[in-house]
Amino acid sequence: GENVEQHPSTLSVQEGDSAVIKCTYSDSASNYFPWYKQELGKRPQLIIDIRSNVGEKKDQRIAVTLNKTAKHFSLHITETQPEDSAVYFCAASTGGGADGLTFGKGTHLIIQP
Amino acid sequence: DSGVTQTPKHLITATGQRVTLRCSPRSGDLSVYWYQQSLDQGLQFLIQYYNGEERAKGNILERFSAQQFPDLHSELNLSSLELGDSALYFCASSVEGDTDYEQYFGPGTRLTVT
Repeated sequence: GENVEQHPSTLSVQEGDSAVIKCTYSDSASNYFPWYKQELGKRPQLIIDIRSNVGEKKDQRIAVTLNKTAKHFSLHITETQPEDSAVYFCAASTGGGADGLTFGKGTHLIIQP
Repeated sequence: DSGVTQTPKHLITATGQRVTLRCSPRSGDLSVYWYQQSLDQGLQFLIQYYNGEERAKGNILERFSAQQFPDLHSELNLSSLELGDSALYFCASSVEGDTDYEQYFGPGTRLTVT
């Protein structure tokens, strides 16, 4: 089955700097890659997603890039703010999202004031 | 608020017992997914139902089962509970169209097995 590796497990950046989280996947049939943000004790919230027919997608300060050949995708957050502090999860799916997601282990992003 | 509801919020029970977790999807969503989140296993997909039928299975134990009812709400049944079943259980729902497969998570049920 699919295996998703996520790095780093913890990332500390200064407020205003950029943060990059990277994931690799194993199943070349995967075609949908969402990112979720989870605050302590809360639900995972979908923040951005990308499909395999797109190389990059941007939404304000958040962007995701996908390299199908290398089987990796990354989340980029620019101009980080204190409210960006949370655990971020990448995920992959072979059914375009219409099946279960395989998640990475998560990255704890800490924004230092 | 994602529009997905789950009850109860918290559940404390003893080993060997059986519990039922309930999920109501967003209005219009036909698919329901169940996930388990624990410190050692992370977020794991358990099972998916689409319009009342089982569609996909993940790492669901034989002691666990689920169903989706005609009104599209879903229940996850956990039996012969063990200490290791203590976790957060989330359900998610999605609408299925040509492009809309985004999964939206409910607030979760925290299960503690003592």
